[in-house]
Amino acid sequence: TQLLEQSPQFLSIQEGENLTVYCNSSSVFSSLQWYRQEPGEGPVLLVTVVTGGEVKKLKRLTFQFGDARKDSSLHITAAQPGDTGLYLCAEPPNTGNQFYFGTGTSLTVIP
Amino acid sequence: DVKVTQSSRYLVKRTGEKVFLECVQDMDHENMFWYRQDPGLGLRLIYFSYDVKMKEKGDIPEGYSVSREKKERFSLILESASTNQTSMYLCASSFTGGLYGYTFGSGTRLTVV
Repeated sequence: TQLLEQSPQFLSIQEGENLTVYCNSSSVFSSLQWYRQEPGEGPVLLVTVVTGGEVKKLKRLTFQFGDARKDSSLHITAAQPGDTGLYLCAEPPNTGNQFYFGTGTSLTVIP
Repeated sequence: DVKVTQSSRYLVKRTGEKVFLECVQDMDHENMFWYRQDPGLGLRLIYFSYDVKMKEKGDIPEGYSVSREKKERFSLILESASTNQTSMYLCASSFTGGLYGYTFGSGTRLTVV
């Protein structure tokens, strides 16, 4: 199984702080997706990035795809308690149908 | 509102019981998946199916089987439940190719006692 490495594994911050989480692979991504999983729920797709260097924004969340397409970052500005959850990166299949998921970053935003 | 529905949010079963976890999707997705999620181990693929009556083993198929008799329904079967199968089980579906991502169910938290 191809495993994407995410860092940090755990992150606990105060409301209003900024943060960045990372997703890395030793091989080139065809494209990359970010999911958020709230406690007790299944993951929900946030964004798909496809082009090297691409930046996408979703309200206070900024997603960046590395120029070489081997890494990606998620930056959250002014974190809120509703941002609490597990953030997963995933690579859609090149062939076949299986996604490969990262190890996840567990974020806790303290009010 | 499109969705993937898992039949139970919480289940408690006894060791040795046969357990059925049901998943239904209403998005006409070709692919369906079963994962288990454990702290520190991430999402691990148990089985997936890319068509009716078709199935493929994932990374940890031992102790599990699946059934896909209809396109919208994918069942996970624990033939003889054991305590090490206590976990969160997530069902997901997708179109072929996956560019539009997975849609996940809300999960079933299974406890085997």
